[in-house]
Amino acid sequence: EVQLLESGGGLIQPGGGSLRLSCAASGFTFSDYAMTWVRQAPGKGLEWVSTISASGGSTFYADSVQGRFTISRDNSKDTLYLQMSSLRAEDTAIYFCAKGGSGSYYRFDFWGQGTLVTVSS
Amino acid sequence: QSALTQPPSASGSPGQSVTISCTGTTSDYVSWYQQHPGKAPKLMIYEVTKRPSGVPDRFSGSKSGSTASLTVSGLQAEDEADYYCSSNAGSKNLVFGGGTKLTVL
Repeated sequence: EVQLLESGGGLIQPGGGSLRLSCAASGFTFSDYAMTWVRQAPGKGLEWVSTISASGGSTFYADSVQGRFTISRDNSKDTLYLQMSSLRAEDTAIYFCAKGGSGSYYRFDFWGQGTLVTVSS
Repeated sequence: QSALTQPPSASGSPGQSVTISCTGTTSDYVSWYQQHPGKAPKLMIYEVTKRPSGVPDRFSGSKSGSTASLTVSGLQAEDEADYYCSSNAGSKNLVFGGGTKLTVL
């Protein structure tokens, strides 16, 4: 059974340091699939944040986080990461990690339950 | 990355069919996700018309021009949820629609 378990969310002040999210994967061969972070602000819709290729050699970012967030993965630990810095109030959201479909960057066939990041003073 | 346009709401009675539109994409990589309150999204349709295993065949996808559509036939109470379309937007970027709240009357 595919499982994705996010962690690392919490309350952080605007511009105050950084936060690293983790997503522990199980139930599939992690190193075979691209992985993605998607976020959802409270009461709002889904927003694509970042995608990383299966090998980790290619990364892609939404304009809204480019230069502030870094996606990475450790295939030896079956874990996906999102390093977030220079956080803003508008980064407040539930952050979901999602598994890419077979050979695809553009569909997400399993999602974690999400971790809440709150940026507030 | 411009968002795709969806109607904010749609509704239908049990047993009826409802179609939700998603305007702004000509891509072959359109997906649809269902999200119940407080839950993670679930993939319902990918590559415009394909259904993952386990998704009822009451759910179908199509595309005409720059508008993709999700049709739910034989509406059931459990279909009440938010639905989001997504599409690639340039090389390796992705965009979601604003979401449609489907109400089963």
